[in-house]
Amino acid sequence: SQTIHQWPATLVQPVGSPLSLECTVEGTSNPNLYWYRQAAGRGLQLLFYSVGIGQISSEVPQNLSASRPQDRQFILSSKKLLLSDSGFYLCAWSLQGYEQYFGPGTRLTVT
Amino acid sequence: QQQVKQSPQSLIVQKGGISIINCAYENTAFDYFPWYQQFPGKGPALLIAIRPDVSEKKEGRFTISFNKSAKQFSLHIMDSQPGDSATYFCAALFSGAGSYQLTFGKGTKLSVIP
Repeated sequence: SQTIHQWPATLVQPVGSPLSLECTVEGTSNPNLYWYRQAAGRGLQLLFYSVGIGQISSEVPQNLSASRPQDRQFILSSKKLLLSDSGFYLCAWSLQGYEQYFGPGTRLTVT
Repeated sequence: QQQVKQSPQSLIVQKGGISIINCAYENTAFDYFPWYQQFPGKGPALLIAIRPDVSEKKEGRFTISFNKSAKQFSLHIMDSQPGDSATYFCAALFSGAGSYQLTFGKGTKLSVIP
């Protein structure tokens, strides 16, 4: 069966510091991968998606970037965090189909 | 991206009652409509989904009703239980260009009271 991991689970970072969040999927090959952000009390906003290694599409211009160095690894990064980057970051995968499955999320607080 | 509008924002239902959450969309190119359930501090879990060529889909106590002409769909939770207390999100997916991008509603916080 497929499993999706995200780490860290929680993170507190000062403004201006760098960020690296990692997502890995097990038990499948060539998945579509997605990064979403969920602000408090709001829906999920799609940030990036990837249909293959090295292929990244950005949905929202911002302070963040994404990379996919391996088939089942998706990384969300920032060079300098802003207060507005705080939120719950969710990685999701799908097998070139309609069902998207979410990871456990990373709670990021920028202070 | 086109919006998906979800209502109500919050809902309180007595145990054993029916919970109804409604969503409306604008983009007729959407071709898949899932519902997700999210507990506090957890990632959303896919609950049930429907394609626009079907008017209703039932899985256990959960039913989606879909009205293509009105561009609306709803989630019905029958015999609601305290364990159903969670935030529910509707979503719509556009599969164009093979990216399968989901657009989410803002969520409904359901509380089922004993």
